[in-house]
Amino acid sequence: QVQLQESGPGLVKPSETLSLTCAVSGYSISSGYYWGWIRQPPGKGLEWIGSIYHSGSSYCNPSLRSRVTMSVDTSKTQFYLKLSSVTAADTAVYYCARHGFSSGWPIDNWGQGTLVTVSS
Amino acid sequence: QSDLTQPASVSGSPGQSITISCTGPSSDVGGYNYVSWYQQHPGKAPKLMIYEVSNRPSGVSNRFSGSKSGNTASLTISGLQAEDEADYYCSSYTGSNTPGVVFGGGTKLTVL
Repeated sequence: QVQLQESGPGLVKPSETLSLTCAVSGYSISSGYYWGWIRQPPGKGLEWIGSIYHSGSSYCNPSLRSRVTMSVDTSKTQFYLKLSSVTAADTAVYYCARHGFSSGWPIDNWGQGTLVTVSS
Repeated sequence: QSDLTQPASVSGSPGQSITISCTGPSSDVGGYNYVSWYQQHPGKAPKLMIYEVSNRPSGVSNRFSGSKSGNTASLTISGLQAEDEADYYCSSYTGSNTPGVVFGGGTKLTVL
């Protein structure tokens, strides 16, 4: 059974960089599929941030591309998100996830989510 | 990328059927059979209910079904139950030229 777990600071100051780690268990990242980040501001809807393959190939939401860096460490079965120059608008629950099943990138496994608050 | 359009809320009584629509441009919803639907209960992570327009993952009740016509996809829930009360999100793959995912704004389902 695939399990994903986000970790990282729950509080980030404005203008700084948000850094999150997703630990994957029950499945080898190297076996395939894209691995993604999705966020949800309090009381609002879901927003796709970006996704990465085990080779390092990645794609991002155009609206966030200039601030997003993603990476993957297959030996540690972890992947990472960095979001720079954060503002209060980046306050959200951040989920890591797996795009499984098909070429259409459905998200078949989600982490439990971690709340990141941007505040001084 | 533009959000897909969903109604803000729908409601129904136990045992009834409801349908949630999801409209997007021909570049994603209309162009690919890669629409997914997610159920999200308060404080929980979303759960995949439908993928590739009408396929159900193992373990999802057959009361949930999906379809698509042109640029509009639909999720139908039959035999409504109290536990179906949740937020529902549609999403679409954005294509092989610019791979990614776009979500709808979400629909709050209330079981009366």
